Amino acid sequence: DSGVTQTPKHLITATGQRVTLRCSPRSGDLSVYWYQQSLDQGLQFLIQYYNGEERAKGNILERFSAQQFPDLHSELNLSSLELGDSALYFCASSAGDRTFFGPGTRLTVL
Amino acid sequence: AQSVTQLGSHVSVSEGALVLLRCNYSSSVPPYLFWYVQYPNQGLQLLLKYTSAATLVKGINGFEAEFKKSETSFHLTKPSAHMSDAAEYFCAVSGGSARQLTFGSGTQLTVLP
Repeated sequence: DSGVTQTPKHLITATGQRVTLRCSPRSGDLSVYWYQQSLDQGLQFLIQYYNGEERAKGNILERFSAQQFPDLHSELNLSSLELGDSALYFCASSAGDRTFFGPGTRLTVL
Repeated sequence: AQSVTQLGSHVSVSEGALVLLRCNYSSSVPPYLFWYVQYPNQGLQLLLKYTSAATLVKGINGFEAEFKKSETSFHLTKPSAHMSDAAEYFCAVSGGSARQLTFGSGTQLTVLP
């Protein structure tokens, strides 16, 4: 158990819909990262927040957004969903040079 | 920009045989390098990391990796494969001010009885 929690574990929705994925980092970790794992693109960094502020952006689509709240949990919002958005979405938190990954949310867009 | 290349998307070994998973990196600065393992339907677990200390890094579950600057490599090895080692393995490099990870495409390890 990495200490990073993600909900829900599975999400099935339809094209055009909007979903929110939730992540709680390890206790005391200020950084939260979001990654997407898909068959086409592999594991890709999406976005990072540090203590509530956006720190870095990777290959995140404009239809996707994220935020980190004062209690340090984070949400990833995916809108206007397309079939190609089906993937495993990981949240991670870091302490120093170590990154700890949550179990992921598997999103299926039908 | 930093990147890693994993050679071989699938590797099969017999139980008890040597495991060698290859990773080459590209980085304009001294890299931080990592190996992660992903078991089916699970998240990523850190096996080991290189952060510019000892070039031979020992990790969990009997795995180790050697950083070779001259070859820009960070190959993962284990002397004797176990059935429980069957999983997907990812090499990653850390870069940028945010220390986000850039992953290789992964190597699926199959252990044959």
